[in-house]
Amino acid sequence: AQSVTQLGSHVSVSEGALVLLRCNYSSSVPPYLFWYVQYPNQGLQLLLKYTSAATLVKGINGFEAEFKKSETSFHLTKPSAHMSDAAEYFCAVSDDYKLSFGAGTTVTVRA
Amino acid sequence: NAGVTQTPKFQVLKTGQSMTLQCAQDMNHNSMYWYRQDPGMGLRLIYYSASEGTTDKGEVPNGYNVSRLNKREFSLRLESAAPSQTSVYFCASSEQEAYEQYFGPGTRLTVT
Repeated sequence: AQSVTQLGSHVSVSEGALVLLRCNYSSSVPPYLFWYVQYPNQGLQLLLKYTSAATLVKGINGFEAEFKKSETSFHLTKPSAHMSDAAEYFCAVSDDYKLSFGAGTTVTVRA
Repeated sequence: NAGVTQTPKFQVLKTGQSMTLQCAQDMNHNSMYWYRQDPGMGLRLIYYSASEGTTDKGEVPNGYNVSRLNKREFSLRLESAAPSQTSVYFCASSEQEAYEQYFGPGTRLTVT
């Protein structure tokens, strides 16, 4: 079974600063990888996905993630944080019949 | 195109009561899922349905039952609610197993 580790349950950034959220997965075989965002009192929304095409994946709202097989990582970045980026972010990996989700990272953005 | 819809949005039950959470998707997806989300525990899979006519247990199935009514609808039933089932419940669907999933807005359930 796959596992996903998100480093840091809370990240605080200043508006305009870089957002970096870390995700590592356990598989040695390149899986499908996903980042989701959850705004307060809402469901999860797909930000971006990696499906073995380009290793740098661009998503919605200016986010991108880079797949690094040698590091089994799929970190999420955004060059300049906006107040509207305050949310919880989940990394997920394809795992047999389902997706396995990380525990989530809550992002707060300081004005 | 509504995506994934869930009813109700909120529910309060007393211990021992039963209820059914409804989920429907209009994306012609084959696979559907029920999760619960608890603080600090991420998303945990309760049951899933890989295709119409099939259902299987996930990580935390105890106390729940499901029905895949047709390709569009997947319901979750609590036969005898317990306080430990207080949670936010999400339904999701995907074109195929292990593909990206699309989530509903959630049902916030409190069992007293």
